[in-house]
Amino acid sequence: DSGVTQTPKHLITATGQRVTLRCSPRSGDLSVYWYQQSLDQGLQFLIQYYNGEERAKGNILERFSAQQFPDLHSELNLSSLELGDSALYFCASSVQTGPNYEQYFGPGTRLTVT
Amino acid sequence: AQSVTQPDIHITVSEGASLELRCNYSYGATPYLFWYVQSPGQGLQLLLKYFSGDTLVQGIKGFEAEFKRSQSSFNLRKPSVHWSDAAEYFCAVGGGSNSGYALNFGKGTSLLVTP
Repeated sequence: DSGVTQTPKHLITATGQRVTLRCSPRSGDLSVYWYQQSLDQGLQFLIQYYNGEERAKGNILERFSAQQFPDLHSELNLSSLELGDSALYFCASSVQTGPNYEQYFGPGTRLTVT
Repeated sequence: AQSVTQPDIHITVSEGASLELRCNYSYGATPYLFWYVQSPGQGLQLLLKYFSGDTLVQGIKGFEAEFKRSQSSFNLRKPSVHWSDAAEYFCAVGGGSNSGYALNFGKGTSLLVTP
């Protein structure tokens, strides 16, 4: 158990819908990363938040957004869903932001768009 | 941009045999390198990491990896594989500050362990 929690574990929804994925980082971790794992693209970095502020963006679509709240939990919002958004979405947290800080991964949320 | 390549998509080894999973990186400076393991239906667990210093790194579950700058490689090894090692293994390189030091992952190597 990494100490990072993600809810829900599974999510099935229809095209065009909007969903929210939730992540609670390890206690004391200030940095949260979101990654997407799909069969064709592999594991890709989406976005990072640090202490409530957006720090970096990766291959995140404009239909996707995220935020980190004062209690440091984070939410990833996916809208106008398409079949291709079906994937496993991971959240990872680290104490600080920096190259030598280990990222701890949650169990993921599996999103299926039908 | 930082990237890693895992040349082997699938590897099959017999239980008790030795294992080596290959990883090649592309990065101008000294890279921050990681190996993660993902069991079916699970998240990613860090096996080991290399930042600097000793080029032979010891990790959890009996794994080790060797950083070879001349070959741009960071191969993962285990002397004797157990059936419970069957999983997906990912090599990753840490990005720079412009990416928040996010990890750039390889495509993964799926390990099958036969009796």
